[in-house]
Amino acid sequence: AQKVTQAQTEISVVEKEDVTLDCVYETRDTTYYLFWYKQPPSGELVFLIRRNSFDEQNEISGRYSWNFQKSTSSFNFTITASQVVDSAVYFCALSGFSAMNTGNQFYFGTGTSLTVIP
Amino acid sequence: DAGITQSPRHKVTETGTPVTLRCHQTENHRYMYWYRQDPGHGLRLIHYSYGVKDTDKGEVSDGYSVSRSKTEDFLLTLESATSSQTSVYFCASRGSGGDQPQHFGDGTRLSIL
Repeated sequence: AQKVTQAQTEISVVEKEDVTLDCVYETRDTTYYLFWYKQPPSGELVFLIRRNSFDEQNEISGRYSWNFQKSTSSFNFTITASQVVDSAVYFCALSGFSAMNTGNQFYFGTGTSLTVIP
Repeated sequence: DAGITQSPRHKVTETGTPVTLRCHQTENHRYMYWYRQDPGHGLRLIHYSYGVKDTDKGEVSDGYSVSRSKTEDFLLTLESATSSQTSVYFCASRGSGGDQPQHFGDGTRLSIL
């Protein structure tokens, strides 16, 4: 079964603190892809990053970094020196593909609501 | 960003009335999806499409139907709306290939009184 778990429902941090959002996934596919999305208070869903199962290199983009570890089935997201504009709901998602699956479906976690307090 | 538009953006209607939400994409994406988002539940898949006239159910499909007569359009219909279907509805599309992200429309806020 495919599943994404984001155990942290809500997190609050004070501005400039670092924060890590956890994402744990389950899949039987050998090839799969992981994604993070941001949903700010305005409501739109914004794609942030994609990672494939063969690439375990960490990625850094400005204050954002992602740590992918197959050994623990995790794809965690860290925001360094958080800012008020980082306040949003963040979703982790998994995409796999099998011959039985004509939908090429995504599996979303339930999201983590991050509040950055000024 | 992928061009995905949803209409209407807001709708208020009464219990028992039919409602159709529209999703239009300009990216020639093969796959399209309808989700609902409710507090505490994240995004829940209602139906999805893997090609023209090819659709399948998601985890919360009861009370909803979909149609896709053209690549660019994906309609979600509530045949007889109920108050439990009050929600924010998102449409998404993605290209072929497991590495392709889903791109979302801006959502439709639907209230059923």
